[in-house]
Formats: sequence, C-alpha cells, structure tokens
Amino acid sequence: DAGVIQSPRHEVTEMGQEVTLRCKPISGHDYLFWYRQTMMRGLELLIYFNNNVPIDDSGMPEDRFSAKMPNASFSTLKIQPSEPRDSAVYFCASSLGDRGINYGYTFGSGTRLTVV
Amino acid sequence: EDKVVQSPLSLVVHEGDTVTLNCSYEVTNFRSLLWYKQEKKAPTFLFMLTSSGIEKKSGRLSSILDNKELFSILNITATQTGDSAVYLCAAVYVNAGGTSYGKLTFGQGTILTVHP
Repeated sequence: DAGVIQSPRHEVTEMGQEVTLRCKPISGHDYLFWYRQTMMRGLELLIYFNNNVPIDDSGMPEDRFSAKMPNASFSTLKIQPSEPRDSAVYFCASSLGDRGINYGYTFGSGTRLTVV
Repeated sequence: EDKVVQSPLSLVVHEGDTVTLNCSYEVTNFRSLLWYKQEKKAPTFLFMLTSSGIEKKSGRLSSILDNKELFSILNITATQTGDSAVYLCAAVYVNAGGTSYGKLTFGQGTILTVHP
C-alpha cells in the first residue's frame, strides 16, 4: 500500500499566482480530508469528502480556496489568487468508513507551500 | 465552538524521565479521541480512546480518557531521544445522525524535546 500520496512536496510561488495541490488517497478509502498546519493555528480541517462528495467545507478560509474530488482516487485543493498568509503545510488524509475513528486517519506527507 | 486544548505547549526533558501530556476537549457529538505523533512529516497514529477509564498501552506509551471531565492524558515513561516530536490530540465527532464519520479537531500540540 503506497499510502496517501501528495504532490508537490514543496511549492514556492509568488503572491497572486494560482496554486494547485494534489492528493491520491489510499485505494478503497471513502473519506478524504484536507488539513492546513501553521505554527499559529496548528492543524485545521479545511474540507472533507465522502464518496467524492464534499460534506463539510466550513473550514475553507475564503473564496480563494476551492477543492474538488472528481473521482475516488484524486483530489485537488486550489488557491487562486495565493497570498503570503496562505503559506503553510497542507495535509491530505483518508480513511475507510469508521476506521478513521477507531484506528486513526492516514495522512500524506504534506505539501509545504510558501507564497512570497 | 468545538475546542481542543493541549498542555504544556512545549516540554524539555532528559532521557529516562517520565512525561505526562494533557488534552482537554469541548466537542459536541463527541465520538472518540485520538493521539498522534508528528515528527518531521505527517502525523502518525498512536491511540484511539472512546471509553472513560480504560487505559491504552503501547510499550512505554499509555493513554487514558476521562469523558466526564473531558480530558485525556498521554504518558511516556523512560523517555528516549527518539520520542522527541510534536504530540497531537484530536477529538472526533460525528454529525447528529451519526452517519458521517466526520471531522477531527486538533489541539495545538505539545512539542516534546528529549535530551540525551
């Protein structure tokens, strides 16, 4: 099992540019979560999907952020336009049914985004 | 508003010491509490706790939940330098219908540093 795969690992972009982060969940997992981690705010849930459908996007900070899950094996988080305060590590996590509650969610290695 | 608070925020000890990390939570529709260890990359799962008073143990690590007083502790005995990491707790809750294996709300984390 390759685990949750995120790309790119690092992204440096200029303010105002569009940024797309990618995630491939573990095959067969039906829940996918996007988190953001900063020193100030810790780990924050941005959005999560169940069976490719967004369930709760209340953590998405503003309209500049959007997330899609066109199929069970791929999700994107897009920021347009990016701002320096978006600099953070973005994690994707996946789980199968209630296993996430009982055995923890599996996190990807994260994408470190720096907006200059 | 759902809230998870960890203390202390950072802790520096020497090898062989015993540490206790604290996590308190205020979460509606609480289901379980998870502990994670985060080194340089993604958080990795340690424990899931649902029932009050039942200790979970794995080697030198143990954890217990008090779901009346709404807190959990993580103990590490005979600490080693390899225990240096950020320890995160997260509350899991499901929606009122219990049909969505929903979000994690994370605490800020405790940064543990173990010196040789």
